[in-house]
Amino acid sequence: DADVTQTPRNRITKTGKRIMLECSQTKGHDRMYWYRQDPGLGLRLIYYSFDVKDINKGEISDGYSVSRQAQAKFSLSLESAIPNQTALYFCATSDARAGQQAFFGQGTRLTVV
Amino acid sequence: AQSVTQLDSHVSVSEGTPVLLRCNYSSSYSPSLFWYVQHPNKGLQLLLKYTSAATLVKGINGFEAEFKKSETSFHLTKPSAHMSDAAEYFCVVSLSGYSTLTFGKGTMLLVSP
Repeated sequence: DADVTQTPRNRITKTGKRIMLECSQTKGHDRMYWYRQDPGLGLRLIYYSFDVKDINKGEISDGYSVSRQAQAKFSLSLESAIPNQTALYFCATSDARAGQQAFFGQGTRLTVV
Repeated sequence: AQSVTQLDSHVSVSEGTPVLLRCNYSSSYSPSLFWYVQHPNKGLQLLLKYTSAATLVKGINGFEAEFKKSETSFHLTKPSAHMSDAAEYFCVVSLSGYSTLTFGKGTMLLVSP
């Protein structure tokens, strides 16, 4: 089993719908992140959490929300999806004791039509 | 504040020739630096990392990178390209402690026979 698991792997949704992307990890890391990847823009940080009671906005948080249900679970919600949220979404974990190295899930390809 | 610039969006080489992917960073403090690789339709894999130990860092698949503080650079090299090296490469910077990861926009490496 993968250390960082994202569900679903692919999703097509309609404009205006609410959608949740889920991430779970078995690495025991405190820190979890959500990124989106767009061609030519690299990965941009949406939200991050350094422990269960800590939630922080990243570079592009507008239109998104998150929930850290447990140390191992970090979900990303699009309250009302719009077409420019079509992207590849990655969840990641890290541990400062491991020199900040991040471990990534396989990604969720989201299409908003 | 921290930022990273990948100087080339695309690099084309022939199989068996050297690879150079350039990365410059900006950081107020001593950074941690990483190179990740993403093969088509895959997640991100760590190639190598610099965390204030040796300035020449060796990674997987024959890649290496040299941290040059005076030039604020962390260029990725490989002596001889292989077809399987064709992928997108991301340079990533992080400060120590409570810091997030900042990605460059990526360099697509194309390898021709």
